[in-house]
Amino acid sequence: AQSVTQLGSHVSVSEGALVLLRCNYSSSVPPYLFWYVQYPNQGLQLLLKYTTGATLVKGINGFEAEFKKSETSFHLTKPSAHMSDAAEYFCAVQTGANNLFFGTGTRLTVIP
Amino acid sequence: KAGVTQTPRYLIKTRGQQVTLSCSPISGHRSVSWYQQTPGQGLQFLFEYFSETQRNKGNFPGRFSGRQFSNSRSEMNVSTLELGDSALYLCASSLATMNTGELFFGEGSRLTVL
Repeated sequence: AQSVTQLGSHVSVSEGALVLLRCNYSSSVPPYLFWYVQYPNQGLQLLLKYTTGATLVKGINGFEAEFKKSETSFHLTKPSAHMSDAAEYFCAVQTGANNLFFGTGTRLTVIP
Repeated sequence: KAGVTQTPRYLIKTRGQQVTLSCSPISGHRSVSWYQQTPGQGLQFLFEYFSETQRNKGNFPGRFSGRQFSNSRSEMNVSTLELGDSALYLCASSLATMNTGELFFGEGSRLTVL
């Protein structure tokens, strides 16, 4: 069965600093992986996804993630954090038709 | 283009009651999925409908049910409410007929069970 594990339920960074949110996956088949973001009192929004092809995936708002099969990882990064990046971030792996297994989430705080 | 619309946004029920939540997908989207979000369990998949047929179901008791109408609108129902059913219920729609995982979420219906 496919699953994901997010390391760190809370991450704090200073404005302008590198953002690194960690996600490791477990899958017996080539995984489809996703990062979603949730702002307070809102639904989830897709940041980026990896299906096949290029392992470095660029998403919205300057985020990117790299699929590393050897490390079973799909970490999310952004070179320079903005205050508007403060939110909860979820890594997910597809397990069926439009059925995603979500990680437990990482709350990102950006310190001015 | 209008996004996914969920109603009601907030509701309070008491134990033993039932509740029906509604979801209108993005125009043209035929797949609708439902997720439960709680602080303790996180985001959990409930079920997914495509063309009025349930294609997938998560590991929830039979008290949780859903349906999809011919216009792709969907409803989910929870009967005999328990305190643990308090959660944010998220609906998501998708255009693709195949597995893509690219879901568009509504803002959710926050259910409180007293």
